[in-house]
Amino acid sequence: GENVEQHPSTLSVQEGDSAVIKCTYSDSASNYFPWYKQELGKRPQLIIDIRSNVGEKKDQRIAVTLNKTAKHFSLHITETQPEDSAVYFCAASMDRGYGQNFVFGPGTRLSVLP
Amino acid sequence: DAGVTQSPTHLIKTRGQQVTLRCSPISGHKSVSWYQQVLGQGPQFIFQYYEKEERGRGNFPDRFSARQFPNYSSELNVNALLLGDSALYLCASSFGTAGTEAFFGQGTRLTVV
Repeated sequence: GENVEQHPSTLSVQEGDSAVIKCTYSDSASNYFPWYKQELGKRPQLIIDIRSNVGEKKDQRIAVTLNKTAKHFSLHITETQPEDSAVYFCAASMDRGYGQNFVFGPGTRLSVLP
Repeated sequence: DAGVTQSPTHLIKTRGQQVTLRCSPISGHKSVSWYQQVLGQGPQFIFQYYEKEERGRGNFPDRFSARQFPNYSSELNVNALLLGDSALYLCASSFGTAGTEAFFGQGTRLTVV
């Protein structure tokens, strides 16, 4: 079955700096890769996603890149702000046309220091 | 439009008891998935339902069961609770068609004592 690894487990950056979180997956059939942000005590919220037919996607300060050959994808946050502090989860799934079963990474705790 | 709603938000049960958790998907969403999130870990997939049929099952014991109703809401049942079942149980819904995102509910925090 699918296995998703995520690094680093914790990340501290100064406000305004960039943050990069990397994930690898094992199943080449996976074709959908979302990133979720989870603040303490709250639900995971989708912040960006990418599908296997795309190599890069950007939404304002957030971008995701995908390397299908190497089976890894990365989240890039630029100009970090204190409100970016949270736990970030990457996930992989095979979108079979009736929804997805996600395999999540273990998470990265991002702290943005003012 | 309301998001994914789960009930109850918090629950305390005793070992050996049974529990039922409920999920109402976003209007129009036909796919519901359940995840268990132990503190400090990523969510683990338990079940997926689409159009009232089970479409996937994670590596959980038979004590876990679920169903989806005609209105696409869903219930997760756990029998013979163990201390290790203490976790945040998350429900996610999506349209279910290819290329659509999944949105999570706020979860049910289950504590087994």
